[in-house]
Amino acid sequence: GESVGLHLPTLSVQEGDNSIINCAYSNSASDYFIWYKQESGKGPQFIIDIRSNMDKRQGQRVTVLLNKTVKHLSLQIAATQPGDSAVYFCAENFFGSYKLIFGSGTRLLVRP
Amino acid sequence: NAGVTQTPKFRVLKTGQSMTLLCAQDMNHEYMYWYRQDPGMGLRLIHYSVGEGTTAKGEVPDGYNVSRLKKQNFLLGLESAAPSQTSVYFCASTHMGSNQPQHFGDGTRLSIL
Repeated sequence: GESVGLHLPTLSVQEGDNSIINCAYSNSASDYFIWYKQESGKGPQFIIDIRSNMDKRQGQRVTVLLNKTVKHLSLQIAATQPGDSAVYFCAENFFGSYKLIFGSGTRLLVRP
Repeated sequence: NAGVTQTPKFRVLKTGQSMTLLCAQDMNHEYMYWYRQDPGMGLRLIHYSVGEGTTAKGEVPDGYNVSRLKKQNFLLGLESAAPSQTSVYFCASTHMGSNQPQHFGDGTRLSIL
């Protein structure tokens, strides 16, 4: 099995409930943010992104909220399903940088 | 459309051996990246490339070399493998310019004995 994230914070939710995963980012100059999902044995998969000129963006069952004042990002998953069980990473980037800065991740466990 | 493909998927090496990990992308991306992922440490950037023939060091470059001879391929080499290089290695690529998501392969699981 996947050994990544042995000491990750874990969020456990009941199937069908909404999930909120939080991320504090580090650089006040960051202007682009991404959420990734990583399932066991797989690479990170792009979920949704948001630019700093927005404070909310919605996708299919997912919403990302950005609070630049306190440098906080959150991912909301509606009607959480067993297939949502994974490790979720936030990442940040600032204009002119080639590189993403990744958070350490949160493990989401969905109880049936 | 395969996206980002990494080979091999698994490998076991003895200390001191050398090997090359291959990353191939079919999305015509300009930028490519190599990361390693260790338990509790998230993704750490080893090397990256912003175009064919160019490479640059990331956060943890020591013990690794890279080459980008073709736009679609990015190779990661371990010259003399050490147990500390036991990790899962991910390749990613993205289009030129900031504010673009990186797309990842499914990783190479490397064990150094």
